[in-house]
Amino acid sequence: NAGVTQTPKFQVLKTGQSMTLQCAQDMNHEYMSWYRQDPGMGLRLIHYSVGAGITDQGEVPNGYNVSRSTTEDFPLRLLSAAPSQTSVYFCASSYGGTPWEQYFGPGTRLTVT
Amino acid sequence: EDQVTQSPEALRLQEGESSSLNCSYTVSGLRGLFWYRQDPGKGPEFLFTLYSAGEEKEKERLKATLTKKESFLHITAPKPEDSATYLCAVRDDYKLSFGAGTTVTVRA
Repeated sequence: NAGVTQTPKFQVLKTGQSMTLQCAQDMNHEYMSWYRQDPGMGLRLIHYSVGAGITDQGEVPNGYNVSRSTTEDFPLRLLSAAPSQTSVYFCASSYGGTPWEQYFGPGTRLTVT
Repeated sequence: EDQVTQSPEALRLQEGESSSLNCSYTVSGLRGLFWYRQDPGKGPEFLFTLYSAGEEKEKERLKATLTKKESFLHITAPKPEDSATYLCAVRDDYKLSFGAGTTVTVRA
């Protein structure tokens, strides 16, 4: 099993550009989530999904969109990048429909100039 | 709103020098407290889940305990490979709230 994979590993965007961060898992996990990690602030939940076709907002959803058309994939879309979205983004998944023992991907480091 | 506070922010230890990390929390209905380890440049790795006050879990040199308002991660006789950031999180329904973490450095 590859576990949770994320692409790209690094990305630089200009203000106003849009892009999609990819996340995939091969463990047949129902629960998937996106976090951002900033220095001194810990991980903050952006969006989560308890199964295909079901998504909901986390703590910091503004400026981000998600969809979940399959169990395996949970892409995160930045609609119009802003410097405040410079961060490290982590995708995570867990079995069942709840966020207990989560498996995290390696992260995407995003810089918005 | 759920709150998780970890202390200290950073901890420097000599190899073999045992210590404890603290995680204090406020949550309306605790449905699990989690400890993760994060190495630089990597995603967090799950360590323990605790559900009720008085519960303890152990893994190698790490032992996690839980009370009604806080959890402790005890590191016994640490080795340099225990150097990492340790994250605490609480679960409320479908969301996890994380603390900012404690960065542990163990010198040989």
